[in-house]
Amino acid sequence: QVQLVQSGVEVKKPGASVKVSCKASGYTFTTYGISWVRQAPGQGLEWMGWISAYNGNTNYAQKLQGRVTMTTDTSTSTAYMDLRSLRSDDTAVYYCARGDYGDPSRYFDYWGQGTLVTVSS
Amino acid sequence: DIVMTQSPDSLAVSLGERATINCKSSQSVLYSSKKKNYLAWYQQKPGQPPKLLIYWASTRESGVPDRFSGSGSGTDFTLTISSLQAEDVAVYYCQQYHRTPPTFGQGTKVEIK
Repeated sequence: QVQLVQSGVEVKKPGASVKVSCKASGYTFTTYGISWVRQAPGQGLEWMGWISAYNGNTNYAQKLQGRVTMTTDTSTSTAYMDLRSLRSDDTAVYYCARGDYGDPSRYFDYWGQGTLVTVSS
Repeated sequence: DIVMTQSPDSLAVSLGERATINCKSSQSVLYSSKKKNYLAWYQQKPGQPPKLLIYWASTRESGVPDRFSGSGSGTDFTLTISSLQAEDVAVYYCQQYHRTPPTFGQGTKVEIK
């Protein structure tokens, strides 16, 4: 069965960086893409960006350009999301979600369990 | 960006009754040549990730109970729960994937009356 398993809780200080991992199993990793979606406490869903596990192409949300980098390691079927210069309003649960390998905009049929990132001094 | 607006923000429905959630997009999400609406619905329960219910506006994801149905076209869409069950208490989101970035509605909280 398809599973996306994310890394654990992170607590960071403002200005620091965080790297969240998302290990995929149960399907051929390189035939899909991975999007990252975050959810601030009590808030809705915000798409952060996408990476194709097929060719490494990326597409990032405009508001995060320059602060976010998404990568994959096809040898371990793992996607990573690196967010730099953290601010308090980056506090959220971060989800990886499976999408299309060629199109950043697609519905998401499988989601990771979420990783809580807390940014606090 | 395409703005998705859901209504109502919350609703309370008696067990066994119908629940209806509306979603409106700021521009059409219908891909005319493919005759497909690029619209999905998700269910999110507390402490859980979202779960895909409906895609292409009306196609039910495998394993989703048939009391969930999606309808609409262009800019106006509806998610209907035909007979509300206790396990349907959740927040529901619509999402467009016609244009990048994909965008979500603000969510509709469904509770038991």
